Amino acid sequence: DGGITQSPKYLFRKEGQNVTLSCEQNLNHDAMYWYRQDPGQGLRLIYYSQIVNDFQKGDIAEGYSVSREKKESFPLTVTSAQKNPTAFYLCASRKGYTEAFFGQGTRLTVV
Amino acid sequence: GENVEQHPSTLSVQEGDSAVIKCTYSDSASNYFPWYKQELGKGPQLIIDIRSNVGEKKDQRIAVTLNKTAKHFSLHITETQPEDSAVYFCAASKGTNAGKSTFGDGTTLTVKP
Repeated sequence: DGGITQSPKYLFRKEGQNVTLSCEQNLNHDAMYWYRQDPGQGLRLIYYSQIVNDFQKGDIAEGYSVSREKKESFPLTVTSAQKNPTAFYLCASRKGYTEAFFGQGTRLTVV
Repeated sequence: GENVEQHPSTLSVQEGDSAVIKCTYSDSASNYFPWYKQELGKGPQLIIDIRSNVGEKKDQRIAVTLNKTAKHFSLHITETQPEDSAVYFCAASKGTNAGKSTFGDGTTLTVKP
């Protein structure tokens, strides 16, 4: 089955630690996106990538980093510089000018 | 950049009634308007979309209307069922913008049995 997979589903981070969220898709989509979702708010764009080895900052990129070494993979690192990282993180992919397909999300909590 | 406003933020209806959610957008160049449904703890899923060359689109109990002049679009759900309860997001994007979508803040729909 084609789809987009995020892991882990739940992640706990101690203050000062970097953590990496995984996103893999087998839809052969060129573009991939990372969004952050806070309670009662819409989706805010963190980073996006239109092609392998290229990515751009979204609206709230500070404290986050990404890589796109393979078409199928777009991992997101939440660094210690992100002061309020507790949130629900959603990865999405898209081919051309069509709908976005979302993963099931990763809930990150700082402990 | 694009700004999308979505209303209402919460909506409660009786089973069988209709539900309407409205969004307005600011960038007249936006030409793709999807609606997503998000169930608790899951990622959003597309339920219907519309492009700017169409004024209305229907899929069974769900319809979307677009008014380009007024820059607003609406989601209509008829004969609501308890399983329609979820958070609904509208979005707007344009083909020249790397596929980036701007999302509304979401509407929590509750359908009471």
